[in-house]
Amino acid sequence: GDSVTQMEGPVTLSEEAFLTINCTYTATGYPSLFWYVQYPGEGLQLLLKATKADDKGSNKGFEATYRKETTSFHLEKGSVQVSDSAVYFCALSAGNTGKLIFGQGTTLQVKP
Amino acid sequence: DVKVTQSSRYLVKRTGEKVFLECVQDMDHENMFWYRQDPGLGLRLIYFSYDVKMKEKGDIPEGYSVSREKKERFSLILESASTNQTSMYLCASSLGDRGNEKLFFGSGTQLSVL
Repeated sequence: GDSVTQMEGPVTLSEEAFLTINCTYTATGYPSLFWYVQYPGEGLQLLLKATKADDKGSNKGFEATYRKETTSFHLEKGSVQVSDSAVYFCALSAGNTGKLIFGQGTTLQVKP
Repeated sequence: DVKVTQSSRYLVKRTGEKVFLECVQDMDHENMFWYRQDPGLGLRLIYFSYDVKMKEKGDIPEGYSVSREKKERFSLILESASTNQTSMYLCASSLGDRGNEKLFFGSGTQLSVL
């Protein structure tokens, strides 16, 4: 079945460091891909998405490119801030069902 | 902005109790979902609903049921709570645009079953 695998965390970085969180997926068909973020004490919120191969999603300085050939959707940011500390979830849409399948989440901690 | 409201932030129940988790959304969304979130496992889908009075099983429906009597409200029911149902429960909603979903999440209910 469809699945999403993320790199294990926690990831600890200093402020202004470069961030990469790896995400790979297995799916039949051509899913849409998403990154969601969960700040402490809150629910998840959509960070960015890409709906077809080679699309790049971007928001708040974060970027991810839909790579069909490597089945990947890695999240990147050039310079992280303390306020980016959160849990990041990669997800894919499961066919035409309306459901999302999530990875296990990666905790990011940014230190001043 | 869409608001998804979950009735309780923290809940403590005893083994064997019947537990109701309530979720209300205010943007006339067709789709509603219940996930549970556990460390190292991410989010796992319990049940979802595309319309009033309809429901579909997700990946881990055992021990749970749901009710959707009105479009804005989606309830998760634990018929007889067990300790392995201690978890964070997240409700979400979305428009009916399948394949391009933006889910709106509530803040979650942390349920402890003793």
